[in-house]
Amino acid sequence: DGGITQSPKYLFRKEGQNVTLSCEQNLNHDAMYWYRQDPGQGLRLIYYSQIVNDFQKGDIAEGYSVSREKKESFPLTVTSAQKNPTAFYLCASSIARPGEETQYFGPGTRLLVL
Amino acid sequence: GEDVEQSLFLSVREGDSSVINCTYTDSSSTYLYWYKQEPGAGLQLLTYIFSNMDMKQDQRLTVLLNKKDKHLSLRIADTQTGDSAIYFCASGGYNKLIFGAGTRLAVHP
Repeated sequence: DGGITQSPKYLFRKEGQNVTLSCEQNLNHDAMYWYRQDPGQGLRLIYYSQIVNDFQKGDIAEGYSVSREKKESFPLTVTSAQKNPTAFYLCASSIARPGEETQYFGPGTRLLVL
Repeated sequence: GEDVEQSLFLSVREGDSSVINCTYTDSSSTYLYWYKQEPGAGLQLLTYIFSNMDMKQDQRLTVLLNKKDKHLSLRIADTQTGDSAIYFCASGGYNKLIFGAGTRLAVHP
């Protein structure tokens, strides 16, 4: 089955710790995205990547970092600089061509601070 | 910046029609989307409409687009308890989607 997987489903972070959220897709999509969702709010874009070895900051990139070494994978690191990391994190992917912009989402990772 | 607004809550009786409304500001949007989110899950693409269309129907779902007023609606016919979820409207184009805050649909007997 083609799709997007995210792991883990739940993640706990201690103060001062960096944690990495995994996102993998087998849809052969070029573009991948990370969003943050807080209760009662819409999704906010953290980072996106249109092609391997390239990525751009979204609206709320501070305190986060990403890499795109493989087409299938786009891991997100929540660094200790992110002071309010508790949220639901969603990864998405799309075909990176104008006119084919529909984004498909993974099941999400919930990050909690201990 | 660009914005998408939705009402936050809608309650309907099982079997009735639900209408969820959305307004957006980005006049350059190529597509407009409706996503569904069940508790603890990711977003599921329900349907989308190309910006030069007025209406799209897909089984129980009808999307209406008023481009002049930048108003989008999603009608769910014969609403069932399984339709209870949060529905997100999104506007955008190449590599950029702007999401509304979501409308929580509650279906009661």
